[in-house]
Amino acid sequence: NAGVTQTPKFRVLKTGQSMTLLCAQDMNHEYMYWYRQDPGMGLRLIHYSVGEGTTAKGEVPDGYNVSRLKKQNFLLGLESAAPSQTSVYFCASSYRIGQATPSNQPQHFGDGTRLSIL
Amino acid sequence: QQQVKQSPQSLIVQKGGISIINCAYENTAFDYFPWYQQFPGKGPALLIAIRPDVSEKKEGRFTISFNKSAKQFSLHIMDSQPGDSATYFCAASTRGAQKLVFGQGTRLTINP
Repeated sequence: NAGVTQTPKFRVLKTGQSMTLLCAQDMNHEYMYWYRQDPGMGLRLIHYSVGEGTTAKGEVPDGYNVSRLKKQNFLLGLESAAPSQTSVYFCASSYRIGQATPSNQPQHFGDGTRLSIL
Repeated sequence: QQQVKQSPQSLIVQKGGISIINCAYENTAFDYFPWYQQFPGKGPALLIAIRPDVSEKKEGRFTISFNKSAKQFSLHIMDSQPGDSATYFCAASTRGAQKLVFGQGTRLTINP
């Protein structure tokens, strides 16, 4: 059981380049999230999805786009990379709160993508 | 605007001692307060969580203390071990989409 898998693990980009980060989960989770982690700032939510075909903005969405065409995948895109987007990006997933799972569900995280923008 | 404030930023504790990390929140709509543990090169993993209808939750050596009136909660690690050396994040969320708001993190080092 792989859990949450992020690709690539490392990437270096030049300012203005574009790229897509891929997140895949095999736990049949409804909810998926993208966070960025910067020193001294914890993790901040970029975008999230509560189901296939739906996405929503988080705390720091500017400069990023996302898509969730399949339930198991959540893509994070940088259209024109900037040095301020140098960070470690984490994807997470969880079950939704529902009849079978009435309490908040833990988020399961991947091991991150370390992205440097020169 | 940091909705969840965590302290200290770093903490050094001797083996066998008690590690204490504190968090304070502002949004009274938060109703779920998890703690995550992160090792270098890995993603955060849920350690323990509490809801505001209880004042304390214990799982093994890890205890969350929750003070709803003060809007504060803390993690206590009893009999701290070198294997506990990691970065710890407190977080908070409301129901619905379960979006987590994280604290800044605490780097804990347990000296042998």
